[in-house]
Amino acid sequence: QVQLVESGGGLVKPGGSLRLSCAASGFAFSDNYMSWIRQAPGKGLEWISYISSRGSTIYYADSVKGRFTISRDNARNSLYLQMNSLRAEDTAVYYCARLYSSSSRSSFDYWGQGTLVTVSS
Amino acid sequence: DIQMTQSPSSLSASVGDRVTITCQASQDISNSLNWYQQKPGKAPKLLINDASNLETGVPSRFSGSGSGTYFTFTISSLQPEDIATYYCQHYDNLPWTFGQGTRVEIK
Repeated sequence: QVQLVESGGGLVKPGGSLRLSCAASGFAFSDNYMSWIRQAPGKGLEWISYISSRGSTIYYADSVKGRFTISRDNARNSLYLQMNSLRAEDTAVYYCARLYSSSSRSSFDYWGQGTLVTVSS
Repeated sequence: DIQMTQSPSSLSASVGDRVTITCQASQDISNSLNWYQQKPGKAPKLLINDASNLETGVPSRFSGSGSGTYFTFTISSLQPEDIATYYCQHYDNLPWTFGQGTRVEIK
């Protein structure tokens, strides 16, 4: 079965950096687009980035552009999110999700359990 | 960016009731809409894609409809296990955005 397991969250000071990882199993990781979505405590969902199956196409939400970098290692079945210049407003649970993408639709069809990032001094 | 507005923000209904949530897009998104269910402390789960297509394994009491700017999500007979927050999400263009969520509770 499809499994996505995030790790790397924790407490970091404003201006600091953190790298999240997502280990994927149960599907052909290298054939699938992947995405990161976050949820601030008690708030709604915010899509922040996606990466194509080979990593050639990447998009970011404006809120993280220039500070966050998405990447993947298909040999390791892993997705990453490098987060720099962290701000208090980046505090959230970060989910990795498989992005089903076709010519007609896109949807986040499998999600990890999330990892909490807290930015505080 | 396309804004997605859900209504109501929360609702309380009895077991067996029909529950309807609306989602309005700030511009025409055709049928480029998904619905997700998020139970407390859990990750979201995809229920409906393309505005009305039920994901495999999702109970048939869940349904979606609409196109353009107005969409509805319906639970035909509310069950205790349906307690959750429901989100719509468009994928018409980037950035993909979610509605603010609708919390469904049992009366």
